[in-house]
Amino acid sequence: QVQLQESGPGLVKPSGTLSLTCAVSGGSISTNNWWGWVRQTPGKGLEWIAEIYHDGSTNYNLSLKSRVDLSVDKSKNQFSIKLYSVTAADTAVYYCARLSLRRVDYWGQGTLVTVSS
Amino acid sequence: EIVLTQSPATLSLSPGERATLSCRASQSVSSYLAWYQQKPGQPPRLLIYDASNRATGIPARFSGSGSGTDFTLTISSLEPEDFAVYYCQQRSNWPLLTFGQGTKVEIK
Repeated sequence: QVQLQESGPGLVKPSGTLSLTCAVSGGSISTNNWWGWVRQTPGKGLEWIAEIYHDGSTNYNLSLKSRVDLSVDKSKNQFSIKLYSVTAADTAVYYCARLSLRRVDYWGQGTLVTVSS
Repeated sequence: EIVLTQSPATLSLSPGERATLSCRASQSVSSYLAWYQQKPGQPPRLLIYDASNRATGIPARFSGSGSGTDFTLTISSLEPEDFAVYYCQQRSNWPLLTFGQGTKVEIK
C-alpha cells in the first residue's frame, strides 16, 4: 500500500517561497506513475498544481507554471515543490499525490500552509 | 480549460435513500472522469475512475455512469459513513486536470 507524507513549513511570509517535500513509502517512486501536488482552498476548491515523473519530466497548471519548480530524489524516494512569490491567495491545504493515468489514486494527508507576515 | 459543473451543491437525504449526483463538462471528456469522496480533515478518496470503474475496495453501492459531457454518481442506499463531499475530476486533454466544485451529501 503506497503512502505519501508531506512535510515543510506551515507558515510562509508574503513574497517568500513555499517549499514542501513528499516522502513516498510502500512502493518505489520509479514506477509508471506521475507524482504531483494538489491544493485545496474554501474559495477555489481543489486545484491541480503540477506533477513530475521519476525521469524528471514535468507538467504544470498553466496558471501557476511561472512560479513553480518540482524536483525528484529517487535515492530518497521523495519529491518536492517550490512555489515562489507567494501571496495570501496561496494559503491552502497542500496535498501530494500519485497520479495514475487519468486519476489521482493515492493522496497524502495534506498540510496547511498559511501565507502571512 | 474544461470546466466541470456539479449539481446540486447540497443534497439532503436520509440513510437508506438513493443519492444521484451530477457532473457536467463544458466539452466532451470522453470517459476520462473520476469521482472522489472527501470527509472533513481527510484527503479525497478515489471512488470511480474512467466514468464507471470502481476503485479498489469501494463498495458496490457506489456506481458511476455517463460519457461525453454528462456523468452521474449513484449511491444506491446511503450508509451513515457516506455523508461527505463528492468531487468529479477530468483529465481528457492530458496533462491538464480539473475538478468540479463539489456536492455535499448531508443528513436530512
